[in-house]
Amino acid sequence: KNEVEQSPQNLTAQEGEFITINCSYSVGISALHWLQQHPGGGIVSLFMLSSGKKKHGRLIATINIQEKHSSLHITASHPRDSAVYICAVKGYGGSQGNLIFGKGTKLSVKP
Amino acid sequence: NAGVTQTPKFQVLKTGQSMTLQCAQDMNHEYMSWYRQDPGMGLRLIHYSVGAGITDQGEVPNGYNVSRSTTEDFPLRLLSAAPSQTSVYFCASSDRDPRNSPLHFGNGTRLTVT
Repeated sequence: KNEVEQSPQNLTAQEGEFITINCSYSVGISALHWLQQHPGGGIVSLFMLSSGKKKHGRLIATINIQEKHSSLHITASHPRDSAVYICAVKGYGGSQGNLIFGKGTKLSVKP
Repeated sequence: NAGVTQTPKFQVLKTGQSMTLQCAQDMNHEYMSWYRQDPGMGLRLIHYSVGAGITDQGEVPNGYNVSRSTTEDFPLRLLSAAPSQTSVYFCASSDRDPRNSPLHFGNGTRLTVT
C-alpha cells in the first residue's frame, strides 16, 4: 500500500514550459514537504506547507488538505531544474520524525 | 556554514565487516535522522534522535545502531554488513519536529556490500 503517490514518475519538458508535479497521500498530515534531489545526489528542501500556497522564485507549491493532494509547479522551466522532486508527509502514529516519502518524479528539461 | 556533513561519500565493504557512517551538523539542531534510499523506493527512516542521549528506531532499523552523545554528531554503525545494506544513506537534521520544519540533508554515502 503506497501512502504517498507521485505523478508522473518521469517527465521530460522543453525549456520554458510550465511544469506540474503531483502528490497524493492517504494519511492525515500536519505538513507536507517538497524536496529536490540533484543529479549528483544531494537533497535540498524546497517547501514545507500545511495549507494554501507558497512561492519561491519560479517554484510554487500548493496543497488541498481536504482532497489530500499537493502540486509543485515550475514556471519558465530551465535545464538546471532537471532533478528528482520528492514529496514527503507525516506518517501514522506518534513517532517523531516519521515522514513517509514518495518515490519521486524525475524531471528532465531539454534546452 | 557547513550544514550537515557526511563521511565517507563512498564505501565498499565485504559481507560481515563493520563500519561507521559519520554525520555532523553545525546548526544546533535537536532532531537528527538517518535514511536509506534504494532504487524504486522512497527514502526510509532507519533511526532518529530528538536530542543528545535520545535515540529511537525508524522503519528499517535492523542491522544498524546509532548513538547521540552530543548535539552535533549522530553516527550510524553497521555491525555486520550484508548485501541487503547496499544503498545510499542520508543523514538529515532539523531544528524542530521534522514533520513540521524543514529538513537539512547531508550529501549522502553510497555504500556497496559485496
